[in-house]
Amino acid sequence: AQTVTQSQPEMSVQEAETVTLSCTYDTSESDYYLFWYKQPPSRQMILVIRQEAYKQQNATENRFSVNFQKAAKSFSLKISDSQLGDAAMYFCAYRGTQGGSEKLVFGKGMKLTVNP
Amino acid sequence: EPEVTQTPSHQVTQMGQEVILRCVPISNHLYFYWYRQILGQKVEFLVSFYNNEISEKSEIFDDQFSVERPDGSNFTLKIRSTKLEDSAMYFCASKAGRTGAAGELFFGEGSRLTVL
Repeated sequence: AQTVTQSQPEMSVQEAETVTLSCTYDTSESDYYLFWYKQPPSRQMILVIRQEAYKQQNATENRFSVNFQKAAKSFSLKISDSQLGDAAMYFCAYRGTQGGSEKLVFGKGMKLTVNP
Repeated sequence: EPEVTQTPSHQVTQMGQEVILRCVPISNHLYFYWYRQILGQKVEFLVSFYNNEISEKSEIFDDQFSVERPDGSNFTLKIRSTKLEDSAMYFCASKAGRTGAAGELFFGEGSRLTVL
């Protein structure tokens, strides 16, 4: 079974600084998707960024970028120029492609605090 | 911006009672999901629903659980006889398609269920 591990339960960063959130996963599949979701205090999870495993190029979305290391099964999220609105729970998630499964497998999440 | 809405936001119930959690997915979406998060634990997949039938379910989704899309807009999760361990935040999610931008999953804000 696939698993997703976020080993850091909490992190903090100064406003305008850069922070990297780590995530590792375990799977026997070669084709899959990886996601980072943000859950602000309002509780609604929002997709931040996604990465297809077959793409070698790391995904970027404005201030958010990933470092996808397929061999190491590592998928970290870098937030540049951190803003107060980035404060939230961040979840790393995996979705396989075998057997038509659509389910997401989540990590435990990490609480990010942004200090002014 | 369209969003997934869930009601109630919080429900308290006695053990053994039936509970129905309601979700209104985004109107043109075709794939529907329920996830849950027990306090302090990972977000876990419960069930996926497409074309008026369950397409995938987890081992958590036993005979006590059922889902329904009764009127083409609502998507409900019913727990027939609640147990203490059913206390969790339940998230509804929907998406338009399976690939590309249409495959982005949108989550509701969640319904917190407390079983006493």
